[in-house]
Amino acid sequence: EPEVTQTPSHQVTQMGQEVILRCVPISNHLYFYWYRQILGQKVEFLVSFYNNEISEKSEIFDDQFSVERPDGSNFTLKIRSTKLEDSAMYFCATQNKEGYTFGSGTRLTVV
Amino acid sequence: GQNIDQPTEMTATEGAIVQINCTYQTSGFNGLFWYQQHAGEAPTFLSYNVLDGLEEKGRFSSFLSRSKGYSYLLLKELQMKDSASYLCAAGRDDYKLSFGAGTTVTVRA
Repeated sequence: EPEVTQTPSHQVTQMGQEVILRCVPISNHLYFYWYRQILGQKVEFLVSFYNNEISEKSEIFDDQFSVERPDGSNFTLKIRSTKLEDSAMYFCATQNKEGYTFGSGTRLTVV
Repeated sequence: GQNIDQPTEMTATEGAIVQINCTYQTSGFNGLFWYQQHAGEAPTFLSYNVLDGLEEKGRFSSFLSRSKGYSYLLLKELQMKDSASYLCAAGRDDYKLSFGAGTTVTVRA
């Protein structure tokens, strides 16, 4: 079964540092998403990406965040200057008409 | 706005049946997803209801009533491995998902 691959699985970073989370989506999927889940809380939408541009973003997705698909395969989420409250699981998801597939997630810990 | 409500916790005995209810108020609603999530792992897809009625898939069934903004997930013949969080998520016309907070199901021997 096709998978969405995320790297790294776990990243620890110091507050104020930049991090890049990577996702390799399923090849024939058209819509890409980033969601996050703070420990013990619900999964929250961050941003959706279609046709090489952002189609929608939530209020969480402020100027510290950016997404791109630099080489047509990897889909990245960049956090420019991490804050303690950015500590969470970050899930990439892709979707076509058959439904959603989530990646295994990146656990980001900001210290 | 989006509002997805489901119970926080449920406990049941191995072999029993548990029903997890979910109510939603979602603009641009186009279907209801159920996901299973084990601690520290990604959500895994269980079911997707677009039309009213019951969808059965092995031990798991899901029901949707669009007019009532209501869905449930039915887990039958519970096994210990079914202990997990179950997430109700409303799909929207813009393709994004709005998740409920999840229901933690604990299966006891």
